[in-house]
Amino acid sequence: EAAVTQSPRNKVAVTGGKVTLSCNQTNNHNNMYWYRQDTGHGLRLIHYSYGAGSTEKGDIPDGYKASRPSQENFSLILELATPSQTSVYFCASGDVGGRHEQYFGPGTRLTVL
Amino acid sequence: QQKVQQSPESLIVPEGGMASLNCTSSDRNVDYFWWYRQHSGKSPKMLMSIFSNGEKEEGRFTVHLNKASLHTSLHIRDSQPSDSALYLCAAARSNTNKVVFGTGTRLQVLP
Repeated sequence: EAAVTQSPRNKVAVTGGKVTLSCNQTNNHNNMYWYRQDTGHGLRLIHYSYGAGSTEKGDIPDGYKASRPSQENFSLILELATPSQTSVYFCASGDVGGRHEQYFGPGTRLTVL
Repeated sequence: QQKVQQSPESLIVPEGGMASLNCTSSDRNVDYFWWYRQHSGKSPKMLMSIFSNGEKEEGRFTVHLNKASLHTSLHIRDSQPSDSALYLCAAARSNTNKVVFGTGTRLQVLP
């Protein structure tokens, strides 16, 4: 079964601090995605990547950066965390081509105080 | 910006009943639809996909797609308490790897 892991699983950060969320996949999928999930908003796409070295802006990229140093790893970086970024963040991987499903990690619950 | 609208927001059905969930995309060029299921505290998992007009059945689950109206529906017959979850509809164009999710329908199946 496809495997996507995230770390940390829970994080408490202070306003203005830097936060890095990490994602690792062993599926050898080219595509990776970062979403946030808030009640009433479903899953919203923050950044995604087509492969190592590439990052693309999703629908809500403001306040976030992404890094894809390798096929397996995709990070989400909050340079200056704000309370509005308190949320549950999901990483996902998927194969190339629009027909392929996405495999999600377990999620990271981030609280910014 | 493409939107995926789902209805109803929440749904309560009795055990053994039929649950019907709806999803419509605002993108006239959308080609693919998926239904994901997310149990409380867990991550979403793909339940069914549909790419062509018509109907697709897998066990108790049936999906319909009408590409002309950009509408898909998910029907769960003989609903079980274990079906209680958030159901997310997702859509994408064939020429992109970007997938857009709806806000979900929360289904509760009462014993």
